Amino acid sequence: DAKTTQPNSMESNEEEPVHLPCNHSTISGTDYIHWYRQLPSQGPEYVIHGLTSNVNNRMASLAIAEDRKSSTLILHRATLRDAAVYYCILRGFSGNTPLVFGKGTRLSVIA
Amino acid sequence: ETGVTQSPTHLIKTRGQQVTLRCSSQSGHNTVSWYQQALGQGPQFIFQYYREEENGRGNFPPRFSGLQFPNYSSELNVNALELDDSALYLCASSVGTGVNEKLFFGSGTQLSVL
Repeated sequence: DAKTTQPNSMESNEEEPVHLPCNHSTISGTDYIHWYRQLPSQGPEYVIHGLTSNVNNRMASLAIAEDRKSSTLILHRATLRDAAVYYCILRGFSGNTPLVFGKGTRLSVIA
Repeated sequence: ETGVTQSPTHLIKTRGQQVTLRCSSQSGHNTVSWYQQALGQGPQFIFQYYREEENGRGNFPPRFSGLQFPNYSSELNVNALELDDSALYLCASSVGTGVNEKLFFGSGTQLSVL
């Protein structure tokens, strides 16, 4: 599986936008970019995913670089509830592909 | 619609014992995956079941085994427990195994091996 690189930790003020970066320089043409987050004492939760185009949903936006070697998860207004570990994961198009988690980015939100 | 539920939430075992962890998948989901999460690490894939058959396995020894039942609930069994098996065990369910499928995780079972 292709690898991703994320900063170990980031900090944000409440109600400000947060940009969480992810590098995936060895991504293949059929790899999808998935983001999950894990709140304290909970299992991971799906956030968003995409292939080439930028994606938006009620939780976040995903901006994918034109060469697809990096992507950014954008939380438009951070809240205290967004404090979590955020995982950027590449998932191959072939069937039966499990999620391969790295260490993720621990996001702290300051009130 | 109920989410993914796991039992028990916490468990303490001694080295050499056997343990069974249980998972009820979300309604309508036919695929269950199990992950092991050591402290400070991301979850590591153990195996996946699709319609009662194992159809993917991570780098875990054979003493980690599982079952999926006709109602798509699942069990994870670990034999001959070792100290390093102490971890959070997560179950996730999904509709199928495709790359676009979202996984829904339970809150996990915290296993301590003494």
